[in-house]
Formats: sequence, structure tokens, C-alpha cells
Amino acid sequence: AQSVTQPDIHITVSEGASLELRCNYSYGATPYLFWYVQSPGQGLQLLLKYFSGDTLVQGIKGFEAEFKRSQSSFNLRKPSVHWSDAAEYFCAVGVSGNQAGTALIFGKGTTLSVSS
Amino acid sequence: NAGVTQTPKFRVLKTGQSMTLLCAQDMNHEYMYWYRQDPGMGLRLIHYSVGEGTTAKGEVPDGYNVSRLKKQNFLLGLESAAPSQTSVYFCASSSIAYNEQFFGPGTRLTVL
Repeated sequence: AQSVTQPDIHITVSEGASLELRCNYSYGATPYLFWYVQSPGQGLQLLLKYFSGDTLVQGIKGFEAEFKRSQSSFNLRKPSVHWSDAAEYFCAVGVSGNQAGTALIFGKGTTLSVSS
Repeated sequence: NAGVTQTPKFRVLKTGQSMTLLCAQDMNHEYMYWYRQDPGMGLRLIHYSVGEGTTAKGEVPDGYNVSRLKKQNFLLGLESAAPSQTSVYFCASSSIAYNEQFFGPGTRLTVL
């Protein structure tokens, strides 16, 4: 069955430091890939998405992600973290033929804390 | 353009009570979804709809029913609430399959 794994439940980064959040998926073909961010008490907002083409994708708020087919990964990066980036981050995969039809499969999320 | 809205924002129920959560979208999207979010579990799909008048079960459908009588609305019903249904419920919509989903702000439901 298709699955999405975010190995890190919680990460703390100093303000101004770089960030990388990991995401691995299990699927035979190239899926559609997404990163969402959820601030406390809010809904989910799309940061970026990958469908095809250039494997390095730029998103909003200075985030980027790189699709690596050989590693089945879609890691999220930011060169310099701001305190306002503290939130929960979800990786999601859109696959055809999954049990839920047309829906996305979400990882369990990584909580990012930013220290001053 | 309000996007995806959810009503109510908060609700407290007693075990056995019923309620309906309303989701509305003004983007003319075909697809709509209901998720629940629990600590450490991420988002789990309850039910979804690929168009007006059609619904289908997701990963965790038991104890819930849905209806999509109008394209812009997707209702989630709990006929007999249980404490295990205490959660935050999110509605989402998308224009096509496997594409970006737009989320509502969520409904925090507590069942005592």
C-alpha cells in the first residue's frame, strides 16, 4: 500500500539556521508530491507541489523541495529559518488507484520549533 | 472569494447526540473531502466526493455519514457521537484529482 513517512516528529532549529524536513514515500510510479504547513489553530496551507519536470521546486515563504526518484524522497528545505516558520509541516502524496480514490495520502507531520 | 468555510468552528457534544458539520466552497471545485486530525496521526480521510450527488468512503468512515446535494456543499454527519470522535475536522476541496487541495479552518469537536 502507498504510504508517506516523515521520520522526524519534532525538530528544533535556531533562528537563521538552515532547515531540512524529510519525507519518503512508497509508490511504484512517480506520484504528485506536496508540502503543506499548518500554523497552530489554523488549516493547512500549500507550500509547494511537484508534478513533473525540474526536480527542484520553489514554493512560498522561501521554501524549496527536491524530488529524488532514486531515494523516493521529497525533502523540504529553507536556507534561513524565521521564528514565524514554527508550525507543523505535512508531506502528502497524490496517487492514482489508491483505496481512497482521488485523495492525498498525508504523512503524520513534523513539528518545527524555532529557538532564538 | 471565501475559499473553503466550515461551520461551526467549535462544538461540544454528549455521547449519543447527533450533529452535522457543514463545509462550503466557492471555487466551483468538483472534489471535496472530510478529514479528521488527531495528535500523532496526521490527517485521515473520512469520506470524499467526486461530484454532486456522489460520495465514497475513505480510510476511517465508520460512525460518519456524508451528503453532497449541492456542488458547493459537503455535509458530515455524526448520528450517535462517541468520545472516540473527539477530533479536529477539516474539509478540503480540489478542482481535479491528485491536485492541490484547499483546506477550511477546521472544526474542533469534543464528545463528552
